[in-house]
Amino acid sequence: DAGVTQSPTHLIKTRGQQVTLRCSPKSGHDTVSWYQQALGQGPQFIFQYYEEEERQRGNFPDRFSGHQFPNYSSELNVNALLLGDSALYLCASSFPSDSYEQYFGPGTRLTVT
Amino acid sequence: TQLLEQSPQFLSIQEGENLTVYCNSSSVFSSLQWYRQEPGEGPVLLVTVVTGGEVKKLKRLTFQFGDARKDSSLHITAAQTGDTGLYLCAATPLNRDDKIIFGKGTRLHILP
Repeated sequence: DAGVTQSPTHLIKTRGQQVTLRCSPKSGHDTVSWYQQALGQGPQFIFQYYEEEERQRGNFPDRFSGHQFPNYSSELNVNALLLGDSALYLCASSFPSDSYEQYFGPGTRLTVT
Repeated sequence: TQLLEQSPQFLSIQEGENLTVYCNSSSVFSSLQWYRQEPGEGPVLLVTVVTGGEVKKLKRLTFQFGDARKDSSLHITAAQTGDTGLYLCAATPLNRDDKIIFGKGTRLHILP
């Protein structure tokens, strides 16, 4: 039973560039949430996708956008990267859609220079 | 703004000792989860507590949800080096339209 997978594992980008991160949820899960975890901090909720729509959003600017595909996989896009966007980006999946128990992937480490 | 305060921020103890870490808030939550995160990995769910006063045990780990559902504690008996990691609490607000919030975590280091 495959857990949550994320790609890539590491990424280095330059300020102003755009990045796309990918996530495949745990088998049987239909809800995907994205989190940003800065060094020494807890995860901060970015948004949640269910039935291919953004259902909930945290306090992140519009530069952060996402998408969910019919197979429940998801992408996180960040435009106009800032140095402060450097962080570990975590994807979590859950089922059913209102479950508070989440299964996290290993994360993508994004470094913006 | 709902906040989860975790204490202590850092804890370093010898193997075999007991310890307790805390997760506190002024808000009432419908449920609370504890996760453990190791370097370079995502958090792993340990337990969910839902009912005020609830106590759950996971081997040497004992989790308690406060009677008022505003706080929680994690007690580890006879700590082992494998317990080393970042312990995060996360809470689900009563209003399901509000987002799940995480504390900053307690970084635990068990010395051999």
